[in-house]
Amino acid sequence: GDSVTQMEGPVTLSEEAFLTINCTYTATGYPSLFWYVQYPGEGLQLLLKATKADDKGSNKGFEATYRKETTSFHLEKGSVQVSDSAVYFCALSGGTSYGKLTFGQGTILTVHP
Amino acid sequence: DGGITQSPKYLFRKEGQNVTLSCEQNLNHDAMYWYRQDPGQGLRLIYYSQIVNDFQKGDIAEGYSVSREKKESFPLTVTSAQKNPTAFYLCASIKTGVDEKLFFGSGTQLSVL
Repeated sequence: GDSVTQMEGPVTLSEEAFLTINCTYTATGYPSLFWYVQYPGEGLQLLLKATKADDKGSNKGFEATYRKETTSFHLEKGSVQVSDSAVYFCALSGGTSYGKLTFGQGTILTVHP
Repeated sequence: DGGITQSPKYLFRKEGQNVTLSCEQNLNHDAMYWYRQDPGQGLRLIYYSQIVNDFQKGDIAEGYSVSREKKESFPLTVTSAQKNPTAFYLCASIKTGVDEKLFFGSGTQLSVL
């Protein structure tokens, strides 16, 4: 079945540092890929998505590129802020609806001033 | 403001008791979903419903039940058959069509007394 593997956390960075959170997936066919963010005590919010190979999703300074050859969708940000502290989830949708998602285990990011 | 409301925010279950988690949305979304989140793990799909009066099991439906009598409401019952109910439960909805994305509620933390 489908699966998503994220780099183990937690990740701790200083403000303005470069961020990479690795995500690889296993799926049949051509899944759509997502990054969701969860702030403390809240539900998840969609951060960005990519629906086909070589697409780049971007939002709020975060970027991720759908790499079919390496089955990866790594999240990057050039300069993190304290407000980016949250849990980040990589996910995929193997079907035509984006409601049934397979999630990675989540990566806790803490940014210090 | 449109959104998804989950209640209560915290819920405690006694041994052998059934408890019901509420999820209401005023986004006029067609499909609704229940996910379970355990610490250090990704979200796992419990049940979903794409239209009123119809629902399907997700990956971990055992010990749970749902109903979808109204478009706006999708309550989840955690039955006494669920032996490990302590988790964070997230309800989500999606409007199918162009630019689909999941909207999440703020969650219910269920604990066993």
